[in-house]
Amino acid sequence: DVKVTQSSRYLVKRTGEKVFLECVQDMDHENMFWYRQDPGLGLRLIYFSYDVKMKEKGDIPEGYSVSREKKERFSLILESASTNQTSMYLCASSLWSGNYGYTFGSGTRLTVV
Amino acid sequence: TQLLEQSPQFLSIQEGENLTVYCNSSSVFSSLQWYRQEPGEGPVLLVTVVTGGEVKKLKRLTFQFGDARKDSSLHITAAQPGDTGLYLCAGREGNQFYFGTGTSLTVIP
Repeated sequence: DVKVTQSSRYLVKRTGEKVFLECVQDMDHENMFWYRQDPGLGLRLIYFSYDVKMKEKGDIPEGYSVSREKKERFSLILESASTNQTSMYLCASSLWSGNYGYTFGSGTRLTVV
Repeated sequence: TQLLEQSPQFLSIQEGENLTVYCNSSSVFSSLQWYRQEPGEGPVLLVTVVTGGEVKKLKRLTFQFGDARKDSSLHITAAQPGDTGLYLCAGREGNQFYFGTGTSLTVIP
């Protein structure tokens, strides 16, 4: 069964900590995405990547960075966590072209205290 | 950023009832997808519609893409508790999909 795996389901971090969220996909997809999901705001794109070592800013990149050293792994980094980054974080992957859908991970619910 | 508005935002119905949820935009999309997200999980793709006016059926779910490819609807017949979840539409622009804010559906047994 193909899947996108996010390393943690729940995380609690302190303000100012550096936080790493890991995402691994086993479908050989070119595209990978990081979203955050907040009530009433829907899914907002943070960063995406179309290839190894390639990254593009999404709609809300401030306070985040990403790393894609291998095709299957896409990491989201919160450089200095703040309380307004408390959210559900979703990783997704897709094929490069066509109308194939996104395959999402189960999400990481991050709480910053 | 493309804006997709979904309505209603919340919907609570009795088992067996029919319902329709809507996804609207001022933008034209090359395709549109519908996802369902259950609590504590990521969204799961239900369907992709590509052609203006296209209708697709998935058991009790009927999806329609507007003629102008700016809007879509999802109709559920005889809703069941297992249909409970957050329904998200996503429109494709270029190589990226833009997501709506979702319709949270609760089906009461």
